[in-house]
Amino acid sequence: DAEITQSPRHKITETGRQVTLACHQTWNHNNMFWYRQDLGHGLRLIHYSYGVQDTNKGEVSDGYSVSRSNTEDLPLTLESAASSQTSVYFCASSDGTAYGYTFGSGTRLTVV
Amino acid sequence: GDSVTQMEGPVTLSEEAFLTINCTYTATGYPSLFWYVQYPGEGLQLLLKATKADDKGSNKGFEATYRKETTSFHLEKGSVQVSDSAVYFCALTNTGTASKLTFGTGTRLQVTL
Repeated sequence: DAEITQSPRHKITETGRQVTLACHQTWNHNNMFWYRQDLGHGLRLIHYSYGVQDTNKGEVSDGYSVSRSNTEDLPLTLESAASSQTSVYFCASSDGTAYGYTFGSGTRLTVV
Repeated sequence: GDSVTQMEGPVTLSEEAFLTINCTYTATGYPSLFWYVQYPGEGLQLLLKATKADDKGSNKGFEATYRKETTSFHLEKGSVQVSDSAVYFCALTNTGTASKLTFGTGTRLQVTL
């Protein structure tokens, strides 16, 4: 069965370190998204991609970057982790309609 | 820009009680509207959707009607169960924004025996 997986599920890192969160999907979806979930804010879009070599900034992109070298993967990199980036991160993929949105199980990141 | 406003939680109900979670939206054009559910420790799952005015989405006993005149998409269930305890998100996608979803802040529902 097709799926979308995120790794790691939990991570603790120190302020200033570079951190990469993985997202891998086997749906063959062109569209992939990264969201962060914080209490009182719901889910906010960080970055998204509509295909290989395409990346776009979302509403809370500062301090984050993504790259898309193949259809299956969209890793999210925190260039220099800050305590404000402590959050739960969700990856999602879509077939181009919102009906086909599939979410990963999330990565809980703690920056100390 | 587009936005979604949900009622503040948490909402605590006894089993078999009637549930309403309010959701209103601001968007230009003709958005599609969604309710997603997040069970503890899991990602989001699509609960139901409506793509045009007066459409009613339904699934697992939950319903929501797309009301363009009041820009609302309230979630209802006639009789909740303990297993319905979760966080519920209202969301929209607009014709001009491809498949990007805009979410509300989420409403936590706790159902007790």
